[in-house]
Amino acid sequence: DAGVTQSPTHLIKTRGQQVTLRCSPKSGHDTVSWYQQALGQGPQFIFQYYEEEERQRGNFPDRFSGHQFPNYSSELNVNALLLGDSALYLCASSAGSLYEQYFGPGTRLTVT
Amino acid sequence: GQQVMQIPQYQHVQEGEDFTTYCNSSTTLSNIQWYKQRPGGHPVFLIQLVKSGEVKKQKRLTFQFGEAKKNSSLHITATQTTDVGTYFCAGSGKFYFGSGTKLNVKP
Repeated sequence: DAGVTQSPTHLIKTRGQQVTLRCSPKSGHDTVSWYQQALGQGPQFIFQYYEEEERQRGNFPDRFSGHQFPNYSSELNVNALLLGDSALYLCASSAGSLYEQYFGPGTRLTVT
Repeated sequence: GQQVMQIPQYQHVQEGEDFTTYCNSSTTLSNIQWYKQRPGGHPVFLIQLVKSGEVKKQKRLTFQFGEAKKNSSLHITATQTTDVGTYFCAGSGKFYFGSGTKLNVKP
């Protein structure tokens, strides 16, 4: 049974560009959450998807958007990239919003 | 907004010594979860506490949830080098992570 998978592993983008990150949840999980983790910091909640809808959102601008597909996989889109968007982006899945989360290995985004 | 603070930020111990990290919230939490992140890795779920005053143990790890459900602690007895990593608490549905306590264990 594969756990949470994310792609790509690493990504380098230029300021102003757009990026799409992908996540496949653990088998049997229907809820996907996205986090941004800057170096030396704790994960910061971006948003959570359940039943293809954004259910909760953290304190992130509208440049950050997402999508969940019928197979529960999810995408995180970031527009107009800023240098400060450089971070590790983590996807976590769970069976509902109240249960333990399983994190993927993350996507390391570098904005130059 | 809700904030979850963790102390200490760093802890260096000799192998065999005990270690404790504390998590404090400005608001009452419905539940709290603890995660461990090894260097270069991703957070791994350790445990969830829900009830006021709850205490749970996992081998050398003891987790407590405060009576007011505003604070929590993780205590490791007789640390080992495999305990190295950053320990995070996450409050109320996982959305609010603390800043973490980075544990270094010297052999």
